[in-house]
Amino acid sequence: QSVLTQPPSVSGAPGQSVTISCAGSSSNIGAGHGVSWYQDLTGTAPKLLIYDHNSRPSGVPGRFSVSKSGTSASLAITGLQAEDEAHYYCLSYDSSLSIWIFGGGTKLTVL
Amino acid sequence: QVQLVESGGGVVQPGESLRLACVASGLTLSSYGMHWVRQAPGKGLEWVAFLETNLRSEYNVDCVKGRFTISRDNSKNTLYLQMNRLTADDTAVYFCVRNRGDPGVPGNHFDSWGRGTLVTVSS
Repeated sequence: QSVLTQPPSVSGAPGQSVTISCAGSSSNIGAGHGVSWYQDLTGTAPKLLIYDHNSRPSGVPGRFSVSKSGTSASLAITGLQAEDEAHYYCLSYDSSLSIWIFGGGTKLTVL
Repeated sequence: QVQLVESGGGVVQPGESLRLACVASGLTLSSYGMHWVRQAPGKGLEWVAFLETNLRSEYNVDCVKGRFTISRDNSKNTLYLQMNRLTADDTAVYFCVRNRGDPGVPGNHFDSWGRGTLVTVSS
């Protein structure tokens, strides 16, 4: 049911940067609905990573940042570290479906 | 410190029912909108249901199909998800999640997650 499209996987070496895209439509991201990102480490509950205009919960480093343009959003991670290896999900509200929708998730591999 | 602890999961047969519970501490549930989100084994996250502070509810109609009911007991500070007519497709870990911000408004996000409870539907 994902109407937010993410790449299935991305990878990068320690210290490098990666970007994870989240492509939506005019009824979700393009409508100005909030976009947030979640980190899902294996064996733990998902964790809020970042939302809105680069708002981060305490403890989330500034290496994580977001941007938005039109109907898409992106999560950028700089200075990759081994502990960043996880699945990442974007989330927005879709006003035509009247539901919250997660992207399909992106597996980040730190080489 | 916000803590959400889910319980009530287990193994059930197709067609049976389960009621999940989420006990909250460090927050008053009635002051926040709350969600249930699920994750099937090896799959992504899927939003299931939302309960507003005023008890208005919203459901992911495609996956719930009128079978699930979200509710809360203020006296127990507990959120529930009543699940009826379960099918194999409902097999998942179910997370209780706190909502922040108004639905659909910039800044809306899910800030606190429980550890989840596993529901397995199998004959």
